[in-house]
Amino acid sequence: EDQVTQSPEALRLQEGESSSLNCSYTVSGLRGLFWYRQDPGKGPEFLFTLYSAGEEKEKERLKATLTKKESFLHITAPKPEDSATYLCAVSIYNTDKLIFGTGTRLQVFP
Amino acid sequence: EPEVTQTPSHQVTQMGQEVILRCVPISNHLYFYWYRQILGQKVEFLVSFYNNEISEKSEIFDDQFSVERPDGSNFTLKIRSTKLEDSAMYFCAGGTENTEAFFGQGTRLTVV
Repeated sequence: EDQVTQSPEALRLQEGESSSLNCSYTVSGLRGLFWYRQDPGKGPEFLFTLYSAGEEKEKERLKATLTKKESFLHITAPKPEDSATYLCAVSIYNTDKLIFGTGTRLQVFP
Repeated sequence: EPEVTQTPSHQVTQMGQEVILRCVPISNHLYFYWYRQILGQKVEFLVSFYNNEISEKSEIFDDQFSVERPDGSNFTLKIRSTKLEDSAMYFCAGGTENTEAFFGQGTRLTVV
C-alpha cells in the first residue's frame, strides 16, 4: 500500500535554531514529491516539487531534498512567521491523486 | 498573483440537506480536484476532473457526491444528502499538468 509518513509530528524551535523535517514514503512508482505549508484554517500553500533522487530546491529559509526513500525539509534560522504545519505529499504513476502525510506542526518562538 | 477562490468560506447545514461548494480555478488550469480534510486528519483525495469529465474518484466519492464545471469557469462539488461525517474542510485545487495541485483556501462544512 502506498504510504507517506512524516516526522516529527510536532517541533518547537527557538528563533534561529535550524532543523529538518522528514517525509518517508513507500510507493509503487514515484512521479513527484510535494511540500506544502498549511496555516490554521487555510488551504495548503505550494512550496516545492521534487522529481528525482538527488534533487534539491530552495526558497528563502527552506530547502527540500529527495532520496529514493525520503525527503527532508531543512529550515535554516527559522523565524516566528515560519510557524505552520508542513505537509508532504506524493504523486504516483497511474493516478491523479496526491497522497498526503499527516504533517509536521512547527512552532518557532522568538 | 492568481489564486484558486472558494465560496463560501464556511457553510453550516442540517443533516440530509444538499450543499454546493463552489470554486473558481486559475484560468489556465486544465486539471481540477476536490480534496477534504477532517479536523486533525490527513488531506484526502476525493475526485479529479479533466476535459469536462471525472478522470478519477476515491472510495469516499460515492453517489452522494457530484462535480460539475457548468460554465467553463466555476467548478462545483455537490453533496446531495449531507451526513454528520461529511463535516470537514473541502479544498478545491487545480493545475496545468496532472502532476501539480494549487489549492484554494477551503470551505469549512459543518453538518448539524
